[in-house]
Amino acid sequence: KAGVTQTPRYLIKTRGQQVTLSCSPISGHRSVSWYQQTPGQGLQFLFEYFSETQRNKGNFPGRFSGRQFSNSRSEMNVSTLELGDSALYLCASSLGTGGAYSNQPQHFGDGTRLSIL
Amino acid sequence: AQTVTQSQPEMSVQEAETVTLSCTYDTSESDYYLFWYKQPPSRQMILVIRQEAYKQQNATENRFSVNFQKAAKSFSLKISDSQLGDAAMYFCAYRSPEGAQKLVFGQGTRLTINP
Repeated sequence: KAGVTQTPRYLIKTRGQQVTLSCSPISGHRSVSWYQQTPGQGLQFLFEYFSETQRNKGNFPGRFSGRQFSNSRSEMNVSTLELGDSALYLCASSLGTGGAYSNQPQHFGDGTRLSIL
Repeated sequence: AQTVTQSQPEMSVQEAETVTLSCTYDTSESDYYLFWYKQPPSRQMILVIRQEAYKQQNATENRFSVNFQKAAKSFSLKISDSQLGDAAMYFCAYRSPEGAQKLVFGQGTRLTINP
């Protein structure tokens, strides 16, 4: 079974641009979460999608948005990029969310390394 | 809000020896889930072990085991017979049953294995 696939692996943008990152979850997984990893702030939760609905959101500005499609694939968009948005963006998938799925682990992709010049 | 603290930024151990990584957390919840993930230079986060707070028995996965002390809010990871492939960043993470799949991570511990 294929793992979580994130594209692209590397991305270089300039300030003010926008960017879209993609995540394909493990087949059968319906929950997709996004995390930002930086040396200073560590790993921070961005948001989670399940059944095309945002279920939870971290403390990030509105420039960060996401969506999920009917096939569970998810995209994350960052508009008006700032230097501080340079980070490794990790996507994680799991079977479901909450309830009976609370003890289910998340499976992570290799991440997208975003650099802002 | 829950917080997770890993007080050891770096640790090193000789190959084949045992090492323990520390993790403490702060929460007012009585039921929750705890995880240890490793992140090698390849960047992918890999689940090492997980523990449900309602279970008193400490989780074990081959050479990896935890010491879960609920009252002390402590969740340490013990790696026995350390191998070169164990070298990685290790992250402790907390999940609330009310927070869907959201994980709260510690700052990580970089583990070096000396041959």
